Amino acid sequence: DQQVKQNSPSLSVQEGRISILNCDYTNSMFDYFLWYKKYPAEGPTFLISISSIKDKNEDGRFTVFLNKSAKHLSLHIVPSQPGDSAVYFCAASGDQGYQKVTFGTGTKLQVIP
Amino acid sequence: NAGVTQTPKFRVLKTGQSMTLLCAQDMNHEYMYWYRQDPGMGLRLIHYSVGEGTTAKGEVPDGYNVSRLKKQNFLLGLESAAPSQTSVYFCASTIGTGYQPQHFGDGTRLSIL
Repeated sequence: DQQVKQNSPSLSVQEGRISILNCDYTNSMFDYFLWYKKYPAEGPTFLISISSIKDKNEDGRFTVFLNKSAKHLSLHIVPSQPGDSAVYFCAASGDQGYQKVTFGTGTKLQVIP
Repeated sequence: NAGVTQTPKFRVLKTGQSMTLLCAQDMNHEYMYWYRQDPGMGLRLIHYSVGEGTTAKGEVPDGYNVSRLKKQNFLLGLESAAPSQTSVYFCASTIGTGYQPQHFGDGTRLSIL
């Protein structure tokens, strides 16, 4: 049972345009959400997070939006840069405390110069 | 500051062989985790530890054992390797208070023939 779903395995975007990565979750107990970025042959690195008490969080070019009623979050990257090409994992926690995190399957973003 | 270091980076085993993967962190983090990443499956939690001397099962613990004898180290053991355990293994750690992101190592690529 995949509680965190990233239905788009891949996404291609032109440099300078907006990248929108989507994530859906099914467990209503999740109350903290994170995005991680992963380059080939490296481990995931934390990118941005959002608590369920917010609906938006910004950090530079990256913005995460949370729609609790739809159990949906999205990551916006504006403007997209070639260095953003990576796999992005959505993750959620809170159903079993903050010790455990459930990850989505990832979306591979390619930013075309 | 090395962060999270995984040893070895690559390994090829024969079915039935045993081995231990080592994870070391120098950030004085309380919580440590072992994940496996398989194509289309995202990151799945194998075992985790909430402090020195403690371990707990994650989502896919069968066929693996772990030990956390020292706070900075978290060992993952395969007693009798099977081809289904071919995967990329990631170790992660987090400080353990509040909602804090996990810090990942660069992974161990393990092939079981």
